[in-house]
Amino acid sequence: GQQLNQSPQSMFIQEGEDVSMNCTSSSIFNTWLWYKQDPGEGPVLLIALYKAGELTSNGRLTAQFGITRKDSFLNISASIPSDVGIYFCAGLNYGQNFVFGPGTRLSVLP
Amino acid sequence: DGGITQSPKYLFRKEGQNVTLSCEQNLNHDAMYWYRQDPGQGLRLIYYSQIVNDFQKGDIAEGYSVSREKKESFPLTVTSAQKNPTAFYLCASSGRRVSTDTQYFGPGTRLTVL
Repeated sequence: GQQLNQSPQSMFIQEGEDVSMNCTSSSIFNTWLWYKQDPGEGPVLLIALYKAGELTSNGRLTAQFGITRKDSFLNISASIPSDVGIYFCAGLNYGQNFVFGPGTRLSVLP
Repeated sequence: DGGITQSPKYLFRKEGQNVTLSCEQNLNHDAMYWYRQDPGQGLRLIYYSQIVNDFQKGDIAEGYSVSREKKESFPLTVTSAQKNPTAFYLCASSGRRVSTDTQYFGPGTRLTVL
């Protein structure tokens, strides 16, 4: 099945730094979702985006639905240790199944 | 508290045995899904169901079977035909058939074949 591309694959940052990651596809999507997964747990929905160009925030997290509808971006401001985990993006088109990226693994150094 | 529950959290199976993973949701969602997650990889769709008594194969259905007798429940059976069943299994649900806007996940079941 189709997969999305996520970059970076992994990143190590200092506590307090801002984080940026993105998700790209060769196809357009009508919906973009961002999830965070802790080790041994199920993914938790962070932000849902439904409109090209849309910018949505959830606390220190901000995500954007790319204008081309082929990409989406997630930013985390002032990172803290509990931000550690794997961040997944997912795309959806009407009448089709969700498509997931391989994830970006975030490590926060104290 | 609305949500998705999966049981057991950890499951051990001997080779040649079938095992069934439970998934229950009280979100009143029509659609339910089963995914497999292997280390360092994204989620791969095993089966999905848009409505009671109906389900479709996903990308990696071989060696798995499901049933959807109730809206709230979507159990997954890992059969002995699945050659490499050790993985983390995630159940999910969404509100309006496959074209819904969001998808929520359960806590997962880790299956290990001994």
